[in-house]
Amino acid sequence: DIQMTQSPSSLSASVGDRVTITCRASQSISRYLNWYQQKPGEAPKLLIYGASTLQTGVPLGFSGSGSGTDFTLTITSLQPEDFGTYWCQQSYSVPWTFGQGTTVEIK
Amino acid sequence: QVQLQESGPGLVKPSQTLSLTCTVSGGSVNSGGYYWSWIRQHPGKGLEWIGYIYYSGDTWYNPSLKSRVAISTDTSKNQFSLRLNSVTAADTAVYYCARVSTTGTTLNGFDVWGQGTMVTVSS
Repeated sequence: DIQMTQSPSSLSASVGDRVTITCRASQSISRYLNWYQQKPGEAPKLLIYGASTLQTGVPLGFSGSGSGTDFTLTITSLQPEDFGTYWCQQSYSVPWTFGQGTTVEIK
Repeated sequence: QVQLQESGPGLVKPSQTLSLTCTVSGGSVNSGGYYWSWIRQHPGKGLEWIGYIYYSGDTWYNPSLKSRVAISTDTSKNQFSLRLNSVTAADTAVYYCARVSTTGTTLNGFDVWGQGTMVTVSS
């Protein structure tokens, strides 16, 4: 199985801050990397697929980059509604696997 | 607007079979271009992909569960289902159904999710 490792596991930032979350795969996954946001009590929501393609309806303040084994999710200017847990997930090979999550708290 | 809704028992006894159904509205499980999937999340923990099915009936499962899991579709009801047998307390989790979109032969992420249903395994 491909292991996905996210960092940091949690962060606290202020509204307007630039936030970066990284995800590393245990082997190359090309650009088959997806990002999700999950709020407490809700299902995850797809933000980005294919490493950098913004899902329809997702604010432009979210962006993704990377290929191979190293990927980044960036929130350009943190908004109050951006709290929650962020997950990366590889769709390169079965079994699809997720990172352990990054919890974002608004200061 | 495609919507998914899970249904099934919230409590299952150990060694029995967990059965959940996902009802699809606003779309068809019988149309190409989408895979229909189950994912679970243990309480306070991460996400685990269980498997998915294509409209052709082809299935892919997580090897960690493969011997106990089956995903199927019921096109007459526009539903797909999960069966997980010989359950233990370790199978206690929130179970989500989700749709996987595709672009050509590339499977993208889970773009539509159900709200999730909590299943507890306990006697």
